[in-house]
Amino acid sequence: GNSVTQMEGPVTLSEEAFLTINCTYTATGYPSLFWYVQYPGEGLQLLLKATKADDKGSNKGFEATYRKETTSFHLEKGSVQVSDSAVYFCALSDRTGGFKTIFGAGTRLFVKA
Amino acid sequence: DAGVIQSPRHEVTEMGQEVTLRCKPISGHNSLFWYRQTMMRGLELLIYFNNNVPIDDSGMPEDRFSAKMPNASFSTLKIQPSEPRDSAVYFCASTLGDSNQPQHFGDGTRLSIL
Repeated sequence: GNSVTQMEGPVTLSEEAFLTINCTYTATGYPSLFWYVQYPGEGLQLLLKATKADDKGSNKGFEATYRKETTSFHLEKGSVQVSDSAVYFCALSDRTGGFKTIFGAGTRLFVKA
Repeated sequence: DAGVIQSPRHEVTEMGQEVTLRCKPISGHNSLFWYRQTMMRGLELLIYFNNNVPIDDSGMPEDRFSAKMPNASFSTLKIQPSEPRDSAVYFCASTLGDSNQPQHFGDGTRLSIL
């Protein structure tokens, strides 16, 4: 079945540091891949997505590239800010999974000033 | 545009009481999902509907939990009787029934069972 594995947190960085959160997936079909972000007291919200191999999703300085050969979708940001402190979820969905989205366990990011 | 609307935002009640959580999905979305989030178990899918029909309820923990979607603009999740271990944040999400589309989450209901 489909699954998503992402690096365990928490990740603690200083402001302006480079961020990478690793995500790998297993899927029987051709999934769409997503990164969601959850700020305290809120629901998850879409950060970026990619729907086919070699697509790059980007938003708010975050980027992730759909790598079919390594089944990965790592999240990166060149310079994090305190306001980026949140929990980040990698996720996938495809037709073989019906309408479900499979979420990773989430990675908590703390950014220190 | 209005997002997914959940009510109440917070609920505190005593064990044994019935709890009803409500969700209004985004207009035009035809899939609706109920999730539960806890520190111990993370984000769990409880049940999801497509075109108001329950498709997969395998995540519903036990018979005390039930969910309905009487029309395209409203869904409920009911717990009867409630227990302290049901304390969690419950999220509703909706999407168009297309694997390329993201899910849109409400802000959740924080449920505390005393």
